[in-house]
Parts: sequence; C-alpha cells; structure tokens
Amino acid sequence: GENVEQHPSTLSVQEGDSAVIKCTYSDSASNYFPWYKQELGKRPQLIIDIRSNVGEKKDQRIAVTLNKTAKHFSLHITETQPEDSAVYFCASGGGADGLTFGKGTHLIIQP
Amino acid sequence: ETGVTQTPRHLVMGMTNKKSLKCEQHLGHNAMYWYKQSAKKPLELMFVYNFKEQTENNSVPSRFSPECPNSSHLFLHLHTLQPEDSALYLCASSLRQGREQYFGPGTRLTVT
Repeated sequence: GENVEQHPSTLSVQEGDSAVIKCTYSDSASNYFPWYKQELGKRPQLIIDIRSNVGEKKDQRIAVTLNKTAKHFSLHITETQPEDSAVYFCASGGGADGLTFGKGTHLIIQP
Repeated sequence: ETGVTQTPRHLVMGMTNKKSLKCEQHLGHNAMYWYKQSAKKPLELMFVYNFKEQTENNSVPSRFSPECPNSSHLFLHLHTLQPEDSALYLCASSLRQGREQYFGPGTRLTVT
C-alpha cells in the first residue's frame, strides 16, 4: 500500500518567517495530495490541495509544490502568524481509495 | 461547522460493552470514511464507503463493524474493545472517492 513520510515532526519558526513542510509518497499511481491543518481539540481542516497535473498551487500565504518524478510534495507558509500554530498533515490518494496520511508536523510560531 | 456531525463526542466504555458511533453528513456527498487517530500514530484509514457500498477495509479487527444505511449516515459498531482501541475516531465525507474530504469533530473513545 501507499506509504507517506512527513518531515519534520516539529517545526518552530519566528513570527513573520516562512515555514516549509515536506512529504514523500511511494505509490506512483497517487494523483491527489491534500494538506490538512488540525488545531488542538479540533477536526482536521483542508487548507490546500494539488492534483498531479500541476506542479504548484498558491492560495494567499499558503502554497504547495509537487514533484511527481521524485514523488515529493511540500507545503510553504509565508509571513507566518500565531494562528498558523497547529499540526499539519499531508496526505496522498488515488481515485478509488481513501487517503494515506503522514504522521503530522507540529508547527510552532514563536512571537 | 455543521457539514459533518458525529455523536457522541465522548464515550467511555468497558471491554465487554457494545456501543455505536454515529456520523451524519449534510453535504450531499457519496463517499464516507472512518479514521482512527491516536497519539502515537498518524490518521489511520479504517473503512471506506462509496454510494453505500464498502470499498475498503484496512485490515481492521472484527470488533469494529461499520454500517452505511444511506449516503448520509455512517455508523461504527463497537464490541469487546481493548484498551489500545482508545483513540479519537473521525468520520469524513467527500463528493466521491478521490475528492477532498471533510472531517467531523470526532468521538473521543476511552476503553477501560
């Protein structure tokens, strides 16, 4: 089955700096890569996703890049703010399956 | 947020009890999912239903039994659970398999 590796497990950045979280996947048939944000005690929320027919997608301060050849994708958050503090999960999936999630990255924004 | 709801939000049960978790989605989606989230592991997919048909069972022990009577409702029946089954159980739905998933708030389950 699909295997998703996510790094780092914890990331601490100064407010205003950028944060980058990276994931790799194993199944070359995967074609859908969402990112979820989970605040303490709350449900995972979809923040951005990308499909295999594009290499980059941006939504305000958040961007995701995908390298299908290398089987890795990354989440980029610019101008980080305190409310960005949360656990972020990457996931990988194909058309007929559910999603396989990474282990999560605890992002800490230092004031 | 009321798109995907789950009840109960918290549940404490003994190892000999039988209980059920309920999930309901009001988004008109056709696929529904059960995930387990525990402290030491990532989100683990348990079951997938697409148009009320179970399409995936990720080697889940038989003490967990899903039921999907229609595209809007999903149940997880629990019996003779073990303490290691204590976790947050999340339901999710998507328009169809392979599309973005939306999660419910979860049921925090404690098995004593």
